[in-house]
Amino acid sequence: NAGVTQTPKFRVLKTGQSMTLLCAQDMNHEYMYWYRQDPGMGLRLIHYSVGEGTTAKGEVPDGYNVSRLKKQNFLLGLESAAPSQTSVYFCASSYSTGDPYNEQFFGPGTRLTVL
Amino acid sequence: DQQVKQNSPSLSVQEGRISILNCDYTNSMFDYFLWYKKYPAEGPTFLISISSIKDKNEDGRFTVFLNKSAKHLSLHIVPSQPGDSAVYFCAASEGLYAGGTSYGKLTFGQGTILTVHP
Repeated sequence: NAGVTQTPKFRVLKTGQSMTLLCAQDMNHEYMYWYRQDPGMGLRLIHYSVGEGTTAKGEVPDGYNVSRLKKQNFLLGLESAAPSQTSVYFCASSYSTGDPYNEQFFGPGTRLTVL
Repeated sequence: DQQVKQNSPSLSVQEGRISILNCDYTNSMFDYFLWYKKYPAEGPTFLISISSIKDKNEDGRFTVFLNKSAKHLSLHIVPSQPGDSAVYFCAASEGLYAGGTSYGKLTFGQGTILTVHP
């Protein structure tokens, strides 16, 4: 099992460019999440999905869009990148129920720099 | 509004001694708490958790204590080892017992950098 994988690992964008971050999980998890990590801020939830074809906003959704066309994939899009979106992005997935409750499995992260 | 706070950005401990990492929360709806460990250039990994009906949970060298009245939890690592050096995040969730639609969403603290010296 690869667990949760993220593509790409690193990316540098210019302001205004667009890109898509791909997250894939092979654990048949229902729930998937996108977080960003900034210094001194911990991890903040951007968007999440509770199943194929569903998405919902998290704490900091502005400037991002997501799609979950297949259960195993969760895509995060930046339509017009801004320097404020420079961050490390983590994808996570979890079972809808189970023990320990809400244990989320994280990918290795994507480091994005917007110039 | 930071609902989960880790007020110590860093902690330095000698190998073999106890490490105590602290976390405070403000949302009384939180009923499940988790600790994650993160090494550089890796994603966070689950360490230990505790539900609100318990005040202690132990797993090997790791023990989490929950004080609901104070809205405070702590992670104890005994004995500390150099391999424990990492960033530790406290996280909280609501809806385990109340049902509802939290969908497993986690609210994270800012993290504490633990350094264990040989």
